Amino acid sequence: EPEVTQTPSHQVTQMGQEVILRCVPISNHLYFYWYRQILGQKVEFLVSFYNNEISEKSEIFDDQFSVERPDGSNFTLKIRSTKLEDSAMYFCATGEGRGNEQFFGPGTRLTVL
Amino acid sequence: QQQVKQSPQSLIVQKGGIPIINCAYENTAFDYFPWYQQFPGKGPALLIAIRPDVSEKKEGRFTISFNKSAKQFSLHIMDSQPGDSATYFCAASKGGNNRKLIWGLGTSLAVNP
Repeated sequence: EPEVTQTPSHQVTQMGQEVILRCVPISNHLYFYWYRQILGQKVEFLVSFYNNEISEKSEIFDDQFSVERPDGSNFTLKIRSTKLEDSAMYFCATGEGRGNEQFFGPGTRLTVL
Repeated sequence: QQQVKQSPQSLIVQKGGIPIINCAYENTAFDYFPWYQQFPGKGPALLIAIRPDVSEKKEGRFTISFNKSAKQFSLHIMDSQPGDSATYFCAASKGGNNRKLIWGLGTSLAVNP
């Protein structure tokens, strides 16, 4: 069964450093999302992406965040200058566009020291 | 108005019991209500979803009950098993493409053998 994959599974970084989180969507999916989940808290929407542009972003998704699909397959989330409060699980999700189902990857645990 | 309120926060049942998890929303524009199951260290996995035009949907041992007038929906797990022990999230989204999911806080379910 096709699945969303994410790398790395765990990233440890120093405050102020840049990180890139990578996602490989399910091959025929057209809609891409990033969500995050701070430990013990609810899942929060960050950004949605369709047709090579951002469709919607939350207030969390400030100028420190960016997304792109650099090679037509990977979907990346970049955090330019990480803060302690960016420590969370980051989930990539993808959808076909027909219907509403979103399929989630296993997540990247980001730890900012 | 964007919130989805979920209860209880945690739940313990015996094997064979029927745990019930409840969610409530305010935004009447929401038209898609999924439930996700999450095991530790994994991404959320879509379990079952409902739209407001039906009052109940059943898939295997999982049933969603939907009360449009009360703006509430609930997940029932029939004949619960220890393998159902996980965190369950309700979510909601509204019309249009790129439907971001608004999440409840989650319910940690433990099914004792």
